[in-house]
Amino acid sequence: EVQLVQSGAEVKKPGESLKISCKGSGYSFTSYWIGWVRQMPGKGLEWMGIIYPGDSDTRYSPSFQGQVTISADKSISTAYLQWSSLKASDTAMYYCARRRRGYFQHWGQGTLVTVSS
Amino acid sequence: QSVLTQPPSASGTPGQRVTISCSGSSSNIGSNTVNWYQQLPGTAPKLLIYSNNQRPSGVPDRFSGSKSGTSASLAISGLQSEDEADYYCAAWDDSLKGVFGGGTKLTVL
Repeated sequence: EVQLVQSGAEVKKPGESLKISCKGSGYSFTSYWIGWVRQMPGKGLEWMGIIYPGDSDTRYSPSFQGQVTISADKSISTAYLQWSSLKASDTAMYYCARRRRGYFQHWGQGTLVTVSS
Repeated sequence: QSVLTQPPSASGTPGQRVTISCSGSSSNIGSNTVNWYQQLPGTAPKLLIYSNNQRPSGVPDRFSGSKSGTSASLAISGLQSEDEADYYCAAWDDSLKGVFGGGTKLTVL
């Protein structure tokens, strides 16, 4: 069974750094793109970017390029989303999802990130 | 402002047929397939329709998708109370990124 298990909720202060994770199991982690999707409180889904763990090829939405870093460690089947300096506007639920032929077939449970002073 | 345009809300009574539209452009829906996701309250999104009109295993055949030109539609027949959720269309854009619609909140009256 394909599973994506995300790290737990985080509460951070503006300016702090953060790295959240998404661990894949039940499939060949290096053979499928993994994507990240943001959902701000009460708002819709936003496509942030994707990574191919096999060779770390990464694509970002222009809206998120330079704002976050997507990475993966194939030795432990884990993808990451990180910020170097959080802002209050980064408060959101973040989902990882496994991509197949252009669609997100399997989703993680989400990681809630709260940024507040 | 989402790249794909959906109505913010839709509603129907149990047993009715409801459709949700999704409008894009030649760089996304016009040249790539459309996918639909269902998000029940407080849960992660779930793939509902892929490649315009394909249902993953386990999705009831009450749900169907179609695409024409730069627009797509999701139809739900035999509406049930458990269908009350947010629905999002999505597609790949030729600018090398994925795009979502703004979402449609479906209310079962």
